[in-house]
Amino acid sequence: AQKITQTQPGMFVQEKEAVTLDCTYDTSDQSYGLFWYKQPSSGEMIFLIYQGSYDEQNATEGRYSLNFQKARKSANLVISASQLGDSAMYFCAMRDSSISNQFYFGTGTSLTVIP
Amino acid sequence: DAGITQSPRHKVTETGTPVTLRCHQTENHRYMYWYRQDPGHGLRLIHYSYGVKDTDKGEVSDGYSVSRSKTEDFLLTLESATSSQTSVYFCAISDSAGYLHNEQFFGPGTRLTVL
Repeated sequence: AQKITQTQPGMFVQEKEAVTLDCTYDTSDQSYGLFWYKQPSSGEMIFLIYQGSYDEQNATEGRYSLNFQKARKSANLVISASQLGDSAMYFCAMRDSSISNQFYFGTGTSLTVIP
Repeated sequence: DAGITQSPRHKVTETGTPVTLRCHQTENHRYMYWYRQDPGHGLRLIHYSYGVKDTDKGEVSDGYSVSRSKTEDFLLTLESATSSQTSVYFCAISDSAGYLHNEQFFGPGTRLTVL
């Protein structure tokens, strides 16, 4: 069963504007972690931000923030003041608390920042 | 940057030949993972390891085997490569499951083409 769903295959945003990338997840665990990764055209996977299921405040890292709505099981990434260098694929992931310690990834959203 | 290397970085092989990809880490992390990345599918887990000689199957394990004889090395073997295994392969590592905030660190990837 799909654990992470990213419904936006591609997004466009004007430079300096904010953009929200959607992510919903499915788990029956009470304890889990949510992550966002960036993959630029060069191919490397870059960790951006983390949100724990028990964290009461939304995570922020510089221009990145995570809009965590636990009841709706959503963990949207917000990028403020978009820059040309933000053009990349973005993946949402969830880490469960089982012994296997698996990470589950979504299919990704391709973001293009327009000058 | 986490010390993760993958070798080879690029490989072209023919259908039916065996192929082994190597992942090497210098972080002494317990968990190691092999993913494949294909357009429209995101990252899919092939196999993972939670310790030396402790491995388990992921979502797309058919046609792949793994071995981990040392903490630092995780090998992925395609016993008889097929064209459907043409993909980009990523190795990832993660520290203890006791801390959900521990993200996965990714290697640079291996681009495999099976003709």
